Amino acid sequence: DIQVTQSPSFLSASVGDRVTITCRASQGISSYLAWYQQKPGKAPKLLIYAASTLQSGVPSRFSGSGSGTEFTLTISSLQPEDFATYYCQQLNGSPLTFGGGTKVEIK
Amino acid sequence: QLQLQESGPGLVKPSETLSLTCTVSGGSISSGSYYWDWIRQPPGKGLEWIGRIHYRGNTNYNPSLKSRVTISVDTSKNQFSLELTSVTAADTAVYYCARRAVGGTRWVDPWGQGTLVSVSS
Repeated sequence: DIQVTQSPSFLSASVGDRVTITCRASQGISSYLAWYQQKPGKAPKLLIYAASTLQSGVPSRFSGSGSGTEFTLTISSLQPEDFATYYCQQLNGSPLTFGGGTKVEIK
Repeated sequence: QLQLQESGPGLVKPSETLSLTCTVSGGSISSGSYYWDWIRQPPGKGLEWIGRIHYRGNTNYNPSLKSRVTISVDTSKNQFSLELTSVTAADTAVYYCARRAVGGTRWVDPWGQGTLVSVSS
């Protein structure tokens, strides 16, 4: 299995902060990485796919980068509605695997 | 707009079989461009991919669950289903169904709202 290590697992930040979350894959996955946002009691919502392509309707303050084994999700200016848990997912190899999640909380 | 909805019992006894159905609306399940996934999330924990099916019936399962999982599709009803046998408390989770794009660009969207299945006597 391809392991995906996400860091940090917890992040405390203020509105307006720039936030970066990292995922590392145990082997190269090209650009087959997606990022999801999950709020309590809700299903995950697709934010970014192909490592850096913004899903339609997602605010431009979200961006993704990376390829191979290192990927980042950046929120350029954190908004109140962005406090949530974020997951990365590799879609290169089977079984599909997810990072452990990053919970972004209000400082 | 495509929507997915999970349905099935919310409580299953240990050693019995968990059965869930995902109903797809607003689009056809019979598209060659997509897989149809099952994903689960134990309370307070992360996400685990269970497996997927194509409308033509070919499947792929997570090896960690493969011996207990069957995913099937009913194109006439625009539904796909999950069966998980010999359940234990460790199978207690929110179960999601979702659509996955395949080919050059890959992503999972949309997801169903999820259904909590508890395993308890």
